[in-house]
Amino acid sequence: NAGVMQNPRHLVRRRGQEARLRCSPMKGHSHVYWYRQLPEEGLKFMVYLQKENIIDESGMPKERFSAEFPKEGPSILRIQQVVRGDSAAYFCASSPPSDGGGYTFGSGTRLTVV
Amino acid sequence: AQSVSQHNHHVILSEAASLELGCNYSYGGTVNLFWYVQYPGQHLQLLLKYFSGDPLVKGIKGFEAEFIKSKFSFNLRKPSVQWSDTAEYFCAVRGGNTGKLIFGQGTTLQVKP
Repeated sequence: NAGVMQNPRHLVRRRGQEARLRCSPMKGHSHVYWYRQLPEEGLKFMVYLQKENIIDESGMPKERFSAEFPKEGPSILRIQQVVRGDSAAYFCASSPPSDGGGYTFGSGTRLTVV
Repeated sequence: AQSVSQHNHHVILSEAASLELGCNYSYGGTVNLFWYVQYPGQHLQLLLKYFSGDPLVKGIKGFEAEFIKSKFSFNLRKPSVQWSDTAEYFCAVRGGNTGKLIFGQGTTLQVKP
């Protein structure tokens, strides 16, 4: 029973490039959440998705960031034209449809922008 | 807006000492409360959670937390820490039916052998 799978674990991008982070939720989980962890800070909520729907994107920067969770395949967090300030650890969590609060986190993707 | 505040940013203890990490939240309605632990280089793991019922919640690895509604607090405790408890600890709250978790800024615990 695989947990939440995130890839890649480490991603290096040059300023101006695009970064794509993938998250495959646990089997049976249809809710996905993305968080960003900056050095010396806690996790900041970015976006909450269900299959093919964005439920809450109140934590997403207005520009350059987008997220999707298609009917088939993993959830994707996309950052266009990355800047140094985007360097952070990005964590994905998933939970089941029922309101059981069973959030499971992935191991994260550490993005470094050079 | 919901928010979570963890009072201690960095705690250093000797093995066998008792631990209490403070967590306060702001939200006027029904809340679900969580404590997560992040060991160095690893992902977040759930220590314990409170939804309803007995306000004293027992979690894994000997941790417990007490929900005090009147104080909007959910402090984490452990009677006797071990070196292996060295990690970062995050308090989180989910309010109403929002779905998302709001995290505190975290507390780094360092246990000296």
